[in-house]
Amino acid sequence: QVQLVESGGGVVQPGRSLRLSCAGSGFTFNNYAVHWVRQAPGKGLEWVAVISYDGSNKYYADSVKGRFTISRDISKNTLYLQMNSLSAEDTAVYYCARGHYDFWRPFDYWGQGTLVTVSS
Amino acid sequence: DIVMTQSPDSLAVSLGERATINCKSGQSILYNSNNKNYLAWYQQKPGQPPNLLIYWASTRESGVPDRFSGSGSGTDFTLTISSLQAEDVAVYYCQQYYSTPYSFGQGTKLEIK
Repeated sequence: QVQLVESGGGVVQPGRSLRLSCAGSGFTFNNYAVHWVRQAPGKGLEWVAVISYDGSNKYYADSVKGRFTISRDISKNTLYLQMNSLSAEDTAVYYCARGHYDFWRPFDYWGQGTLVTVSS
Repeated sequence: DIVMTQSPDSLAVSLGERATINCKSGQSILYNSNNKNYLAWYQQKPGQPPNLLIYWASTRESGVPDRFSGSGSGTDFTLTISSLQAEDVAVYYCQQYYSTPYSFGQGTKLEIK
């Protein structure tokens, strides 16, 4: 069955960096665009970034542009989110979610999420 | 950027009754070339990730009970639960995937009256 498993979350000080991973299985990972979506504690969903099936195209939310980088390792069926210059406003559960071959599709499978807490 | 606005923010409905959640987009999310509305609905239960219910505004995802239905076009959309069950208690989000940045509504919390 389709599975997405995030890892890499934890407590990090403001201004520091963290890298999240999302391992995909049960489907041909490299045929799908994949997204990061975050949810601050008690808040709604905020889309963060997307990468195309082959890694050639990427889009970001304005709130993370220039600080976060999305990437994927085709050989490892793994998605990454490199997060730099973190602030308290980045505290959230980060989900990876499967898109489709093209960008303009809903997110049909989600991981369980990994919690990032930015605090001194 | 497309702003998605849901109403109400919270809703209490009796078991077996109809629940209706509205979603309005800041601009049309109907793509004229294929006549599709780029609108999805998700259900999120406490401690769980969101779950896709409806896409293209009215297409039910596989495995979703038929008491869930979506309607609307252009800028105004509705999620209807025809007969509320206890397991439907959740927060519901609409989302547009018409353009980046993809955006979600603020969520509607559905409870039992």
